[in-house]
Amino acid sequence: GAGVSQSPSNKVTEKGKDVELRCDPISGHTALYWYRQSLGQGLEFLIYFQGNSAPDKSGLPSDRFSAERTGGSVSTLTIQRTQQEDSAVYLCASSEAAGAGYEQYFGPGTRLTVT
Amino acid sequence: RKEVEQDPGPFNVPEGATVAFNCTYSNSASQSFFWYRQDCRKEPKLLMSVYSSGNEDGRFTAQLNRASQYISLLIRDSKLSDSATYLCVVRKAAGNKLTFGGGTRVLVKP
Repeated sequence: GAGVSQSPSNKVTEKGKDVELRCDPISGHTALYWYRQSLGQGLEFLIYFQGNSAPDKSGLPSDRFSAERTGGSVSTLTIQRTQQEDSAVYLCASSEAAGAGYEQYFGPGTRLTVT
Repeated sequence: RKEVEQDPGPFNVPEGATVAFNCTYSNSASQSFFWYRQDCRKEPKLLMSVYSSGNEDGRFTAQLNRASQYISLLIRDSKLSDSATYLCVVRKAAGNKLTFGGGTRVLVKP
């Protein structure tokens, strides 16, 4: 079946502009995660959605970052007033449910470059 | 100190040889452990979960040492297709986010 999809695959933006990154999780998956991977760095957790519960935003690096998940499916990560240090690959993952027994499946990522 | 630490490598491995590498984690509340594989410019994919008793999946063997807070991955009879970055991943009991190590790069050469 279809996996996690993300769009755009690549995004180049000028410093100071806002960007929106989209994630379509696997159909039926209730848990959705955003991570980012900077050059030479490991994956860093950003935010997590589970059903109708309040999202876990503990990984968002600043208030310029926000995310929403409409209708329990598609999610959008928004970065306002982008900075060069925001350049990274932004990865979305989904799992059937929350909990240790459920594998997280990753999308191909959006490569963001802030010039 | 990073919560999950790995030797970045690269580990240059002759085809057919055995390679092993470790990962250490600092949070004793970590409950679940995984190895993910990431190919160049691709997304991470789950390779295997790591169980307390150790577990094997074909040519891959994972071990967990809770007392010393490290996990290991051993690859036997290395194939060229095993060349990738191997990510050590931990999850706390009460949470759902994954904490990733920086990855260990393995290059299998003919």
